[in-house]
Amino acid sequence: EIVLTQSPGTLSLSPGERATLSCRASQSVSGSYLAWYQQKPGQAPRLLIYGASSRATGIPDRFSGSGSGTDFTLTISRLEPEDFAVYYCQQYGSSLTFGGGTKVEIK
Amino acid sequence: QLQLQESGPGLVKPSETLSLTCTVSGGSISGTTHFWGWIRQPPGKGLEWIGSIFYSGSTYYNPSLKSRVTVSVDTSKNQFSLRLSSVTAADTAVYYCARGGSGWAYNWFDPWGQGTLVTVSS
Repeated sequence: EIVLTQSPGTLSLSPGERATLSCRASQSVSGSYLAWYQQKPGQAPRLLIYGASSRATGIPDRFSGSGSGTDFTLTISRLEPEDFAVYYCQQYGSSLTFGGGTKVEIK
Repeated sequence: QLQLQESGPGLVKPSETLSLTCTVSGGSISGTTHFWGWIRQPPGKGLEWIGSIFYSGSTYYNPSLKSRVTVSVDTSKNQFSLRLSSVTAADTAVYYCARGGSGWAYNWFDPWGQGTLVTVSS
């Protein structure tokens, strides 16, 4: 099973700042088959990124994904108030697993 | 617009079987070549994939839950279902249904249902 480790656990930032979230896999994720989701309290997760770097429909371009192999990154270029949430990565290269999440909170 | 809605008992007794149904609207399960999946989230914790069913009927399960899980589909009702047997308090979670990809290489989840809380308690 591929284990995904997200860091940091919590990121404290101010609106307008840049957020960089990491997702590290215990073994290489084939085909860069990695997705990112955003989850707000009381809501279902929302797909942001698939294929490591492709934005889902309707996702603002301040969200970008990068990486390959075992190291992946989600970047939010300028945080908007609605971006403060928990973010999860998910790999689908070998079975399906999720990372533990990174909480982006207001500083 | 495709929408998914979970339904089922909110309280299940220990050792019994948890049964949930996901009703799909705005599109036909049988008319697409997608996976349909179940994911859960214990209170205050992260996401865990439970299992998925492909449009062809093939099923895939999380190895850690495989012995207790059954996912099935009823195309006549445009629904798919989850059964989790021998539940314990550790199975208390919000259970989500979601559409997966049109093949394993596209197996992200979008869209998701709103989720339903299932509590295991006597």
